[in-house]
Amino acid sequence: ETGVTQTPRHLVMGMTNKKSLKCEQHLGHNAMYWYKQSAKKPLELMFVYNFKEQTENNSVPSRFSPECPNSSHLFLHLHTLQPEDSALYLCASSQDLGASGRNEQFFGPGTRLTVL
Amino acid sequence: GENVEQHPSTLSVQEGDSAVIKCTYSDSASNYFPWYKQELGKRPQLIIDIRSNVGEKKDQRIAVTLNKTAKHFSLHITETQPEDSAVYFCAASKVSGGYNKLIFGAGTRLAVHP
Repeated sequence: ETGVTQTPRHLVMGMTNKKSLKCEQHLGHNAMYWYKQSAKKPLELMFVYNFKEQTENNSVPSRFSPECPNSSHLFLHLHTLQPEDSALYLCASSQDLGASGRNEQFFGPGTRLTVL
Repeated sequence: GENVEQHPSTLSVQEGDSAVIKCTYSDSASNYFPWYKQELGKRPQLIIDIRSNVGEKKDQRIAVTLNKTAKHFSLHITETQPEDSAVYFCAASKVSGGYNKLIFGAGTRLAVHP
C-alpha cells in the first residue's frame, strides 16, 4: 500500500449525473495531483495543488471541478460528462525534498470511470 | 507546448535479453526525468529517476542515461525477467515551487517471454 487511496474504485454514470471522486494521502505530502489515463494515450496531468492552493489547471473542461480542502484530501467533482471522459482517473501526491530529493509522485489505485 | 515522445510503443524480448526504451523531450528547462512502471491493473510506480546534472544512473538491472544537448533519455533493462513485463512511462519535468509538473510519454508495453 503506497499510502494514497481513492474511492470509488469503479464508477458508472450517465451524462446528466453529478458525482465526486475522492483521494486521500497518508504520507504527509504537500502536493496532490489529478491525472487522466486513457487507452493508448499518455497520462494527462489535469490539476495540481500545492499546500491546498491550485497551481496548475491544464486546460481542463469546466465539467471537471477539483477541490482540495486540506493537504491530505483531494476531490474531483464531475457533472454533465461526455462518453469520451471515460478513463482511469489517478490521484498522486509528492513531497518537496529540495534539489537533492527524489520528488517521487506516489499514485493511488485510480477510479475507473465509465460515462454512458 | 511541452511534449515527451517515447519509443517504441511495444517491445517484445526473450528472457535474459536487454531492453531499451527511448524518450525525447521538448522543454529545455526540464531538470528531472523519472521512469514509472505500471503493471496490468495496478498503479504506476517509480523505478528510477535522474536529474539534469547527472548523465547516467544505475540501480541493479536498470539504468537511465540522459543527453541534455540532444534532449533525450533512455531506460536500459538488462537480464530481463518475465516480471519485468509491464508498461513503462518516461516523464520530464521542472521541479520548482514544491511540486512536479510531469509530462509523460505515451508508454512502452514491454513483454518478456520465458
